[in-house]
Amino acid sequence: AQSVTQLGSHVSVSEGALVLLRCNYSSSVPPYLFWYVQYPNQGLQLLLKYTTGATLVKGINGFEAEFKKSETSFHLTKPSAHMSDAAEYFCAVSGKSGGSYIPTFGRGTSLIVHP
Amino acid sequence: EPEVTQTPSHQVTQMGQEVILRCVPISNHLYFYWYRQILGQKVEFLVSFYNNEISEKSEIFDDQFSVERPDGSNFTLKIRSTKLEDSAMYFCASSQSSGANVLTFGAGSRLTVL
Repeated sequence: AQSVTQLGSHVSVSEGALVLLRCNYSSSVPPYLFWYVQYPNQGLQLLLKYTTGATLVKGINGFEAEFKKSETSFHLTKPSAHMSDAAEYFCAVSGKSGGSYIPTFGRGTSLIVHP
Repeated sequence: EPEVTQTPSHQVTQMGQEVILRCVPISNHLYFYWYRQILGQKVEFLVSFYNNEISEKSEIFDDQFSVERPDGSNFTLKIRSTKLEDSAMYFCASSQSSGANVLTFGAGSRLTVL
């Protein structure tokens, strides 16, 4: 079984400030981890993913995330927020559990960026 | 860039009515999925479809739900007799393969059951 917990349904930052969106996962098998972003009236788009190898993963738009096995975390960060980063962010986990790779998602975190 | 398209974007229906949500996955993708998100809750997996049959389904996907790929392009989700608790955003997704492959999502269909 696998699950994802995203702490904070809303995160508010000022433009130029650090963005930190938290994600903790639970998985009985080595996880694949994903961050997706959803802009208004659009589908979920992949920001970045971790499968194996380097634990610090870089994605699009300056975002990155670090896989920390000991903390079962995959937090998403960006050094400097931009107004265009305002969106809904979803963390997801998958892994070969019972032969299934179906991703399990969190409830999402809405990022609000103030001028 | 190829995208997954969903129709309608918003549907309002009366309890007990049948609803069909439509999706056009990316043309060379082989795996298709439906997820839903009730307001304020997690994005929940409903069903996956591969090789013209259901490959996996969750506990949510009961006899009220069905999926179909009636032709080479559309992938539909039918809810036979809607309940109030079916009100949610329904997302269609597709992928080229399983494993760590990335899902491409549509913008969603918001279903409101009155």
